[in-house]
Amino acid sequence: AQSVSQHNHHVILSEAASLELGCNYSYGGTVNLFWYVQYPGQHLQLLLKYFSGDPLVKGIKGFEAEFIKSKFSFNLRKPSVQWSDTAEYFCAVNAGRSQGNLIFGKGTKLSVKP
Amino acid sequence: DTAVSQTPKYLVTQMGNDKSIKCEQNLGHDTMYWYKQDSKKFLKIMFSYNNKELIINETVPNRFSPKSPDKAHLNLHINSLELGDSAVYFCASSRAVTGELFFGEGSRLTVL
Repeated sequence: AQSVSQHNHHVILSEAASLELGCNYSYGGTVNLFWYVQYPGQHLQLLLKYFSGDPLVKGIKGFEAEFIKSKFSFNLRKPSVQWSDTAEYFCAVNAGRSQGNLIFGKGTKLSVKP
Repeated sequence: DTAVSQTPKYLVTQMGNDKSIKCEQNLGHDTMYWYKQDSKKFLKIMFSYNNKELIINETVPNRFSPKSPDKAHLNLHINSLELGDSAVYFCASSRAVTGELFFGEGSRLTVL
């Protein structure tokens, strides 16, 4: 079965620190990859997505992610976090026949200290 | 206008009751979904409808019954509510080709 693993449950950083959140998936075929963010008390919003092409994708708010096919990974990065980046981050994959049936990781809570 | 809207946003009810959550999207998408987010923030798909037809039905108790009167609406009815049903339920929609989901603001259900 397809699965998504996010390695960090809770990450605590100070403002201006660099961020990397890990995401690995298990599926051998073509995948679409997503990172969503959920700010406290809000709904999920798309940060960025990868369908094909350049494996380094840039999203909103200075986030980027790199798809490394050989490692089945899609890690999220930001060079310098802000307090407003405090949120829950979800990696998601859809694969195979199930268009739109996103399989989500368990999420990583990011807390940024001012 | 809100792209994907759900009502109600908060729902507090007693065990054994029946309740419904409504969802509407004005994005012209073909596919709609219900996801459940538990207290640990884990998101799991429950149902998916494409053009009013059920295409995904994960392992969900049959107390949960989705209904899609048209492709812009997907409602969720829950019978005989149990404590474990307490969660945030998110509606979402997508254009089938892209797979990118647009989420509603969630409906927080608390069963007492």
